[in-house]
Order: sequence, then C-alpha cells, then structure tokens
Amino acid sequence: DAGITQSPRHKVTETGTPVTLRCHQTENHRYMYWYRQDPGHGLRLIHYSYGVKDTDKGEVSDGYSVSRSKTEDFLLTLESATSSQTSVYFCAISAPGTGIPWGYTFGSGTRLTVV
Amino acid sequence: KQEVTQIPAALSVPEGENLVLNCSFTDSAIYNLQWFRQDPGKGLTSLLLIQSSQREQTSGRLNASLDKSSGRSTLYIAASQPGDSATYLCALTGEYGNKLVFGAGTILRVKS
Repeated sequence: DAGITQSPRHKVTETGTPVTLRCHQTENHRYMYWYRQDPGHGLRLIHYSYGVKDTDKGEVSDGYSVSRSKTEDFLLTLESATSSQTSVYFCAISAPGTGIPWGYTFGSGTRLTVV
Repeated sequence: KQEVTQIPAALSVPEGENLVLNCSFTDSAIYNLQWFRQDPGKGLTSLLLIQSSQREQTSGRLNASLDKSSGRSTLYIAASQPGDSATYLCALTGEYGNKLVFGAGTILRVKS
C-alpha cells in the first residue's frame, strides 16, 4: 500500500533465533501498529506505538518487543522465535484525534514461518 | 472488552445478486468503524470508513451503515460480481480512535 511498506515480505527462520520485522511509513502518522493474522483467530493486536519511543502492549504481546526510534519506522522483534509465532504479520498506521476521519492503512504483510 | 461478530461466516451467491453482510459489536463507545476487503494471501484494502457521528457511507456499489444504539453495521453490495469474491472484515476503534478491533470476517464467493 502506498505510504507504508513492510520488510521482509517472507521469512523462514529456525526456532530459538531472533527475528526483526520492519514497518516504514511516509505519511507521518502518529500511531503505528503490529497485528498478526491466524486462521480461526482473525487479526489480533500485538503492540502499538503512539509516538517516538512511546509504545504499549496489545492483546497478544507475549514473546514480542517493539521499538520506535523515528516517526517513520516501527520494528517488531521476536527475541527467540517459536513455532507458535508462525503467522502473517501486518503493520498499520493511523492518525486519530486529528479532526480528520483518518482510518487505518495496512501494509502488505510479512509471512513468517518458524521451523 | 469490545467484541465484534460478523454474520454470516461464509456466503456464496450467484452473480448479480444484492447482498448484505452483518457486523455487530458490544460496546457502542466507538470512534469509527471501517470495512476492509482481503483477497487470499494479500493485505487489507479499506473499503469504507464511518465516523461515529455518521449513519452511512457509500462508494460505488458499496453502502455501509452504522447504528450505534443497536451495536450494528451492515455492508450492502449491489449487483455482485465474481471480482467481489474475497473476505470482508469489519473493524472498529474505541472512543479514542486507536486499537482497531476486528471481526472474524465473512468469506464471500460470487459465482459466475
């Protein structure tokens, strides 16, 4: 999607290895989010950020950490990947409270397989 | 905790039919509601966004309505086409506009 890119698009990694997924935006939106999508569970919020160095946990944050050192970049790290973290990960951006009805814009996703 | 339910879970219709997808939610203190489309193996495409103060939005053959008092939204698709086949997701934000909560989606198949 225009204005938001995720990298890598696909990754296979071994159990126990660290993995970092990157989300980059060019919209200067304040809020950034990481979701995971799994069959039978839909999309669930992992972590979100409401500004540089301001982050908070979502519904399924265990085993994940995030960092945001610049407005445009939001990193998701799996410190020690497990098979239960095999999923499709989506980044999203939004700008609530601006007086403009911004919705959410999603990236194209990262398909992560932990073997 | 906000709960979002979409009915039906799957729907198969012949081309040309008008159809309605339903979304219900438990907490009426929402900022906005958004309908997305997701094609297999792809990301989410935003279709319509309804602010909490609005009752409906239209885009082409799509019309979405919002009734906060009853905790319901509907997505109406007119004159369905095979290209409309996809998963349709309803999602909404709480009163502060952050933390989008999703329904499980409706899988739509339009047969030619």
